Amino acid sequence: EAQVTQNPRYLITVTGKKLTVTCSQNMNHEYMSWYRQDPGLGLRQIYYSMNVEVTDKGDVPEGYKVSRKEKRNFPLILESPSPNQTSLYFCASSSGPANTEAFFGQGTRLTVV
Amino acid sequence: RKEVEQDPGPFNVPEGATVAFNCTYSNSASQSFFWYRQDCRKEPKLLMSVYSSGNEDGRFTAQLNRASQYISLLIRDSKLSDSATYLCVVNPQGSNYQLIWGAGTKLIIKP
Repeated sequence: EAQVTQNPRYLITVTGKKLTVTCSQNMNHEYMSWYRQDPGLGLRQIYYSMNVEVTDKGDVPEGYKVSRKEKRNFPLILESPSPNQTSLYFCASSSGPANTEAFFGQGTRLTVV
Repeated sequence: RKEVEQDPGPFNVPEGATVAFNCTYSNSASQSFFWYRQDCRKEPKLLMSVYSSGNEDGRFTAQLNRASQYISLLIRDSKLSDSATYLCVVNPQGSNYQLIWGAGTKLIIKP
């Protein structure tokens, strides 16, 4: 089954404790992105990747890091989480650039206290 | 002004009715347009792309009005299962990788 898998689905952590949210896709997609979704706001892109070892900042990259060492995996790293990073996070992949269908993971609900 | 604006709703509509909502965008050179559907804070899923000539898929019709810079979504014969949040998405000109997402319009279909 074609899918994008994120882990964990839910996470409560404390300020400053490094964490990683994993994302894996089995569709051989080149393009992957991370978004955050907050009430009253549209999805905002954090980082995106066009291929292995090629990443770039989205609209809200501050406080986040990513890596793309393999085509299927695109982890999101919060080196020192803060409460303003409490949000719902989605990983997405697509076969082409922005004008092609994006497939999303089930989301990670992160709370930083 | 937000780049992509939607009426947050909720739109409360009786089952079987027709409902329509719009989405306005600020970048007149935007190239691609989409409607995604999101259920109860689950992941968004593509509903349909919006072409210059319009697009129809069963009970759903999407239209693009470039002159007034909005896209619309029409749902005919609404079903209970249509209850969801509908997200308007725009790809600005000059960006291969960026999508601008609206905050969504919540639709509630009542029996």
